[in-house]
Amino acid sequence: AQKITQTQPGMFVQEKEAVTLDCTYDTSDPSYGLFWYKQPSSGEMIFLIYQGSYDQQNATEGRYSLNFQKARKSANLVISASQLGDSAMYFCAMREGSGGYQKVTFGIGTKLQVIP
Amino acid sequence: DGGITQSPKYLFRKEGQNVTLSCEQNLNHDAMYWYRQDPGQGLRLIYYSQIVNDFQKGDIAEGYSVSREKKESFPLTVTSAQKNPTAFYLCASSLPRAHNQPQHFGDGTRLSIL
Repeated sequence: AQKITQTQPGMFVQEKEAVTLDCTYDTSDPSYGLFWYKQPSSGEMIFLIYQGSYDQQNATEGRYSLNFQKARKSANLVISASQLGDSAMYFCAMREGSGGYQKVTFGIGTKLQVIP
Repeated sequence: DGGITQSPKYLFRKEGQNVTLSCEQNLNHDAMYWYRQDPGQGLRLIYYSQIVNDFQKGDIAEGYSVSREKKESFPLTVTSAQKNPTAFYLCASSLPRAHNQPQHFGDGTRLSIL
């Protein structure tokens, strides 16, 4: 089974509108972390937001929020008030494991295009 | 400013040639990683290192080699045994053993076959 599933290869959103990018994950580890990264066309990976498995509240960072539904194993990224600069690939990732090495697994990404 | 520097930005490899991608960080992170990214795919782990002089194979280590002689440096060699090396390579670092620590990435190296 895929550890991280992003089912939306591409998304369009009108400028100033909100958009939700889907991510589901699979782990049997009770302790894990979920991350979203943005990758513009230039290639660098930019960390956006983090959610811990034990966090009671959804994470927020400026215009980014994470809709964390633990029972459904989903961690959707919500971008409010989309801007043209938000056009990029977005990757969901999970860090799991205890002790020594903690494996990080990435989804295949969602390409977001913001329309003026 | 602290960060990760990858060089070169673009690299071309001839048949039968080994090439080395550089990755340097000044974030004082113990853990470093190399990922390969192909179009339409996520990042796949090649090698990782949690401490100087120690490194482990990731999911797609065949045809690659690494060294970790200094905390700041984690170079990746793409050997002639890697038959399909054309890809975008990303180096990352993080604090180890903490689920809440994100990885910090360099700007990547694009490798192509001549």
